[in-house]
Amino acid sequence: DTEVTQTPKHLVMGMTNKKSLKCEQHMGHRAMYWYKQKAKKPPELMFVYSYEKLSINESVPSRFSPECPNSSLLNLHLHALQPEDSALYLCASSQEGRARGNTIYFGEGSWLTVV
Amino acid sequence: GEDVEQSLFLSVREGDSSVINCTYTDSSSTYLYWYKQEPGAGLQLLTYIFSNMDMKQDQRLTVLLNKKDKHLSLRIADTQTGDSAIYFCAETARYNFNKFYFGSGTKLNVKP
Repeated sequence: DTEVTQTPKHLVMGMTNKKSLKCEQHMGHRAMYWYKQKAKKPPELMFVYSYEKLSINESVPSRFSPECPNSSLLNLHLHALQPEDSALYLCASSQEGRARGNTIYFGEGSWLTVV
Repeated sequence: GEDVEQSLFLSVREGDSSVINCTYTDSSSTYLYWYKQEPGAGLQLLTYIFSNMDMKQDQRLTVLLNKKDKHLSLRIADTQTGDSAIYFCAETARYNFNKFYFGSGTKLNVKP
């Protein structure tokens, strides 16, 4: 089973709303990621959690707040977003370790529209 | 940082072979990857190759790695209309295997 599950699939929110994106994996992976993807562009890394600790923050604005409640779950809390934040948000996970390929598996994504 | 480049478009006829190319800059990359993204979907891992290999074959997919030229290619044999998608190559960062760099993606269009 190489499945990463994301909810919701589609989200429309106003600029003053607070919402959350959720991600779950049951592959025993210890690294989880949030990527943002604009139309016709490659995914851009936002955050990486490794062993439930935030290990990479790619200078993401504070209106995006990640949370890793446990090794299987990853949330992205959204507050006071801008229309330009509308994009596909992809969650991913991978095993940890330098001794082998760190293959990353993606979810289907959450389509976010900020109005 | 790392730079991964791909051509933007490729158009082939159904039944032909497709070859998607990628160049990368980080010679210390341990693994290089190919992902497929269909419209409205997430990224699907197709295959990956370890940097001490020259070639890897997996059914209709053949990956070729030229480390000297830092060139990676993905060959799809007997291309089908269902192969129409965007294909991304990716490498891991030199000092952090949790950091992946993606190419710009190649849009493959398969004509019936």
